[in-house]
Amino acid sequence: DTEVTQTPKHLVMGMTNKKSLKCEQHMGHRAMYWYKQKAKKPPELMFVYSYEKLSINESVPSRFSPECPNSSLLNLHLHALQPEDSALYLCASSRIRSGTKGPDTQYFGPGTRLTVL
Amino acid sequence: AQSVTQLDSHVSVSEGTPVLLRCNYSSSYSPSLFWYVQHPNKGLQLLLKYTSAATLVKGINGFEAEFKKSETSFHLTKPSAHMSDAAEYFCVVSDIPNAGNNRKLIWGLGTSLGVNP
Repeated sequence: DTEVTQTPKHLVMGMTNKKSLKCEQHMGHRAMYWYKQKAKKPPELMFVYSYEKLSINESVPSRFSPECPNSSLLNLHLHALQPEDSALYLCASSRIRSGTKGPDTQYFGPGTRLTVL
Repeated sequence: AQSVTQLDSHVSVSEGTPVLLRCNYSSSYSPSLFWYVQHPNKGLQLLLKYTSAATLVKGINGFEAEFKKSETSFHLTKPSAHMSDAAEYFCVVSDIPNAGNNRKLIWGLGTSLGVNP
């Protein structure tokens, strides 16, 4: 099973709202990722969690707050977003390989289409 | 620094004809390379990956890619296009691991494949 699930599929929110995106995987992966993707562009990495600890934050504004409650779940809390934050938000997971074995494959969820009004 | 260039932003083929999507990479070490596909309003699906084993890599849905170190290329091919192949294709190279052994993915800008009946 290589499935990553994301909820909700679509989200419309105002600039003063607080909402959360959820991601779940049951592949035993210990690395989880949040990406933002604008139309006709490649995904942009936002955050990486390794062993439930934040290991990479790509200088993302604080209105995006990630959380990894356990090894299967990843959340992205949203607050006071701007219209330019409207995008497809993708979650991914992968194994963590040590040393020089090379990166393991990232498996992506279907994404949450976010619209900020 | 690692980088990846997809040489065509859009490729259009007729159904039943061969597909060639071109990708060149730059890497200061032995890279891992991936092709992902994204159908409209969908998440990203791994087509295939190269991780220093066989240079000819077979993927899903009849796609394959050949790693050519001398040409720093990793072109994606398929002998006969199907209408369902119409999608965005991303060539991806792995970055050097950071201190936490995390590796970012470096994404090409994507090639949009159109398939005409």
